[in-house]
Amino acid sequence: NAGVTQTPKFQVLKTGQSMTLQCAQDMNHEYMSWYRQDPGMGLRLIHYSVGAGITDQGEVPNGYNVSRSTTEDFPLRLLSAAPSQTSVYFCASRLDRGSTDTQYFGPGTRLTVL
Amino acid sequence: AQTVTQSQPEMSVQEAETVTLSCTYDTSENNYYLFWYKQPPSRQMILVIRQEAYKQQNATENRFSVNFQKAAKSFSLKISDSQLGDTAMYFCAFMSTSGTYKYIFGTGTRLKVLA
Repeated sequence: NAGVTQTPKFQVLKTGQSMTLQCAQDMNHEYMSWYRQDPGMGLRLIHYSVGAGITDQGEVPNGYNVSRSTTEDFPLRLLSAAPSQTSVYFCASRLDRGSTDTQYFGPGTRLTVL
Repeated sequence: AQTVTQSQPEMSVQEAETVTLSCTYDTSENNYYLFWYKQPPSRQMILVIRQEAYKQQNATENRFSVNFQKAAKSFSLKISDSQLGDTAMYFCAFMSTSGTYKYIFGTGTRLKVLA
């Protein structure tokens, strides 16, 4: 198993550009989520999905879109990048919504918006 | 809304010593889970230990143990016989078992183990 994979590892964008952060898992997990990690603020939930075709907003969804067309993939789209979106982004998955086993995290994407 | 507070941004401990990281949380729910995750410099998040709120017995995983005080809403992590590999950021997290089952993370404590 590759676990949770994320691409790219690093990205620099200019203000106003759009891009998609890719996330995939090969563990047949129903629940997937995106977090952003900022210094002094911990991890904050952006969007999550409880299964293919179902997504919902987390704490900080503004400026981001997600879709879940397959169980494996959960891309995060930045529509028009802003400097405030400079952060480290983590994708995570777990078996299902109520699972209390570990969440599996990807290696993260460090995004800089100039 | 639930909140998780880690009041110690940074801590250090000598190798082989014991250190305790603090975490407090606020919730009106009666059943939930609490977790400690470790994030070493590699950025990979790793589950250290978890505690179910309705279990009174404190969870233990090898050198890691928790002191769970439900009434005080406190969930501290004790690391015994600290090793250099324990150097990492540690996050406390809360998960409700009703509603959306979202994780709420604290702001983290950066722990440095000194040789």
